[in-house]
Amino acid sequence: GAGVSQSPSNKVTEKGKDVELRCDPISGHTALYWYRQSLGQGLEFLIYFQGNSAPDKSGLPSDRFSAERTGGSVSTLTIQRTQQEDSAVYLCASSLQQRGPETQYFGPGTRLLVL
Amino acid sequence: AQSVTQPDIHITVSEGASLELRCNYSYGATPYLFWYVQSPGQGLQLLLKYFSGDTLVQGIKGFEAEFKRSQSSFNLRKPSVHWSDAAEYFCAVAPYSGGGADGLTFGKGTHLIIQP
Repeated sequence: GAGVSQSPSNKVTEKGKDVELRCDPISGHTALYWYRQSLGQGLEFLIYFQGNSAPDKSGLPSDRFSAERTGGSVSTLTIQRTQQEDSAVYLCASSLQQRGPETQYFGPGTRLLVL
Repeated sequence: AQSVTQPDIHITVSEGASLELRCNYSYGATPYLFWYVQSPGQGLQLLLKYFSGDTLVQGIKGFEAEFKRSQSSFNLRKPSVHWSDAAEYFCAVAPYSGGGADGLTFGKGTHLIIQP
C-alpha cells in the first residue's frame, strides 16, 4: 500500500516568507508526527496528532510554527516569517494509534532552504 | 526525560566484514527501542524494534539487535555487510505509549561507510 507522502519534496524560500508543508499519512493511521532534521540538532520531535487533536505543542521551536490536521488525515506544518535557522528537512510519520507501542512510518521529508 | 547515545559518529567497515553499531539509552522504565536506517535523500526506514519478550530481535536486511537492560544498550549487528548498507543509522527510544506526546527520541546517528 501507499506509504506516507510529503509535499513539496524541496522548498526554497526567502527569509521572512511563510511556508506550508504537507503530510499525507498512511490510510487508517490515526497518529501523525512531525520531526525536524538538521545538521546541528539531529532529529527533533516537533508535534503529534491523535486524530485531529494535538495535545502538546511545546515541542514546536517557536510561535512562528503551527500545525493542523483536518479530517483525521492530511496535516500541514506552517512556518511563518521564515528564518535561515529554519532550514532543515521536515519529516512526517504516522502510526496506527497512539496508545501502546506502535511503529512510526516515515515519509521522505521536505527539504526546506531559507535564503 | 529519555535520551539516546550513539557513540560512533562514523564507522568504516570492509564489505563482507561484520558490523556492530552501538546504542545506549537512558530511560526510567522499560523502553521501546528502534533502529532506523536513512539512505541519502531518503526518509527513515525501520530496521527492527524491541517492545518486549526475546531480547534478541531480528530485522530486515539481515540485521539483528540485542537489548541488554543491565547495560542500557541496544546494539545493532550484521554478520556480513554489503556495499548497499552504506547509510546513516539511527537508534531511537519511545516512552511507554510508543510515541505520544514526546514522540521518538533519536540518537545523533552513525554514518556507515563500506570499503570495497
